[in-house]
Amino acid sequence: QVQVVQSGSELKKPGASVRVSCKASGYTFTSYAINWVRQAPGQGLEWMGWINTNTGNPTYAQGFTGRFVFSLDTSVNTAYLQINSLQTEDTALYYCARGKLDLDYWGQGTLVAVSS
Amino acid sequence: DIQMTQSPSSLSASIGDTVTITCRASQYINIYVAWYQHKPGQVPKPLIYAASTLQSGVPSRFSGSASGPDFTLTISNLQPEDVATYYCQKCNSYPLTFGGGTKVEIK
Repeated sequence: QVQVVQSGSELKKPGASVRVSCKASGYTFTSYAINWVRQAPGQGLEWMGWINTNTGNPTYAQGFTGRFVFSLDTSVNTAYLQINSLQTEDTALYYCARGKLDLDYWGQGTLVAVSS
Repeated sequence: DIQMTQSPSSLSASIGDTVTITCRASQYINIYVAWYQHKPGQVPKPLIYAASTLQSGVPSRFSGSASGPDFTLTISNLQPEDVATYYCQKCNSYPLTFGGGTKVEIK
């Protein structure tokens, strides 16, 4: 069965970097894109962008360029979200989700908390 | 980019009621809208894709429809377990913009 499992919660200081992993199983990894979605405290779902699992080409939504990096390791069916120069406003729950366009399988979410 | 305007932002209804949530697309997107249910502390659950096709296992009291730029999620016979925030999402092409969400509560 399809499973998408993310890495655990992170507590970071401002200015640091964090990498969130998203491991997929139960299907051919390169057949579906991996999307990233953010939910800030008290806010709705915000689509961050996607990565083409065939080519490794990332596409970022407006507001997620520069400090956000999507990457892959197809040898272990895993996608990564790295956030550099963390700011307190980056505190949020980050989800990865499989999908060609609609998102049919979601990871459990990774809480990234940024605090001095 | 195409915007998805979702309304209302919240609603309160009684058990057994029928509730309707609407999303309006700022440009033509055919039928390519998905709906998700998000309960606190849980993972967003896909409900509907292509405007009206239920995901496997979703109760039949959930339904979706499309009329021009307007997309509707209807919950018939509202149940306590339907308390959640519901989101639409455009799925015709990237970017996959979400609507602002509708919080559904029980009166």
